Amino acid sequence: EVQLVESGGGLVQPGRSLRLSCAASGFIFEDYAMHWVRQAPGKGLEWVSAINWNSGLIEYADSVKGRFTISRDNARNSLFLQMNSLRVEDTALYYCAKGMMGSIFGVVEDYWGQGTLVTVS
Amino acid sequence: EIVMTQSPVTLSLSPGDRATLSCRASHSVSSKLAWYQQKPGQAPRLLIYGASTRASGIPDRFSGTGSGTEFTLTISSLQSEDFAVYYCHQYDNWPPWTFGQGTKVEMK
Repeated sequence: EVQLVESGGGLVQPGRSLRLSCAASGFIFEDYAMHWVRQAPGKGLEWVSAINWNSGLIEYADSVKGRFTISRDNARNSLFLQMNSLRVEDTALYYCAKGMMGSIFGVVEDYWGQGTLVTVS
Repeated sequence: EIVMTQSPVTLSLSPGDRATLSCRASHSVSSKLAWYQQKPGQAPRLLIYGASTRASGIPDRFSGTGSGTEFTLTISSLQSEDFAVYYCHQYDNWPPWTFGQGTKVEMK
């Protein structure tokens, strides 16, 4: 069974940093692309970042480019999101999501974790 | 950026009714269109990908059609567990991957 468990969220002041983690199990982590998607309270879904299977291709939403860094450790079955210079508008539930294939090209996210809440205030 | 527009915003229906949800893309996304269901306090669940392929374990009362810029999710006979928010999502033209604003299917 695919499991994605996010951690690292919390309350942080504007301008500070936070590092999110996502622990993956139930599938061969190194074979699949991974994404971060966020959802502000009471709002819709916003894609944040994606990384392919070997970290060779990484993309960011314009709203986080230059502030957030996605990375993965295939040996530890883990995905990370380093968030710097946080803003009030970054407040959201952050989900990690598994891609259906190793590439991020034209591949949908099929499994999602339960999310970790980041509050910037 | 491709803008995804869903309609209606809210759909008020009764169990057993047929639900038809629409999603329009500002530019063609070919068939790279997915539908997700989200219930309160839960993560999104993939229902449909490739515009019309049901994800693993999804009941056949859920069906998706369309290509290019116009897409439809149909729930043939609403069950109590189907009342939720539904999002369409394009993964053809990126970055960014984009989502619609959601359609809430509520009980009448």
